[in-house]
Amino acid sequence: EDQVTQSPEALRLQEGESSSLNCSYTVSGLRGLFWYRQDPGKGPEFLFTLYSAGEEKEKERLKATLTKKESFLHITAPKPEDSATYLCAVQAAQGAQKLVFGQGTRLTINP
Amino acid sequence: ETGVTQSPTHLIKTRGQQVTLRCSSQSGHNTVSWYQQALGQGPQFIFQYYREEENGRGNFPPRFSGLQFPNYSSELNVNALELDDSALYLCASSLPGQRDSPLHFGNGTRLTVT
Repeated sequence: EDQVTQSPEALRLQEGESSSLNCSYTVSGLRGLFWYRQDPGKGPEFLFTLYSAGEEKEKERLKATLTKKESFLHITAPKPEDSATYLCAVQAAQGAQKLVFGQGTRLTINP
Repeated sequence: ETGVTQSPTHLIKTRGQQVTLRCSSQSGHNTVSWYQQALGQGPQFIFQYYREEENGRGNFPPRFSGLQFPNYSSELNVNALELDDSALYLCASSLPGQRDSPLHFGNGTRLTVT
């Protein structure tokens, strides 16, 4: 069974304090690994798709990396507006376009 | 470009009742998926529709059913509501012919069952 585990569950940082969020996964053939950001009361907002080990993608203060077993979301010099829940999901190579999500990491950036 | 829109935004129902949630896909998208998100959890896949047919289903009982219309809008129906059905229901759409395109989510319908 495809599974995604994210850690930590919650993370508090000071503004400017860089850190990383972890996403460990098991999947029967990876079609893609996705990162989403979710603000309270809103739907998930797409950030990145990674397809193969060694791939990296960047957007502003965020950089996502992928290995065969896990993905990291690196946050460099975060700002309070980066506070949100970050969700990781995998899509298997076979079958419908079904995403299996982790439980998310709730990130709080204090000014 | 119009994003994914869902209605209503909030809904309160009583155990045993039936509910219909609605979703309008992002313009040009013909694949629609529905997810259930319990408080503090990640979204869970309910089912997906592609060209008006169910194209995959998660581990949800038959009382969860759906429809997709020719204009690609969609409905999620839940019969015999249970207290555990209280959750945020998310609709997502993706680009036609690009099965690896990312899902674009609406802001959801918050369902409370009392």
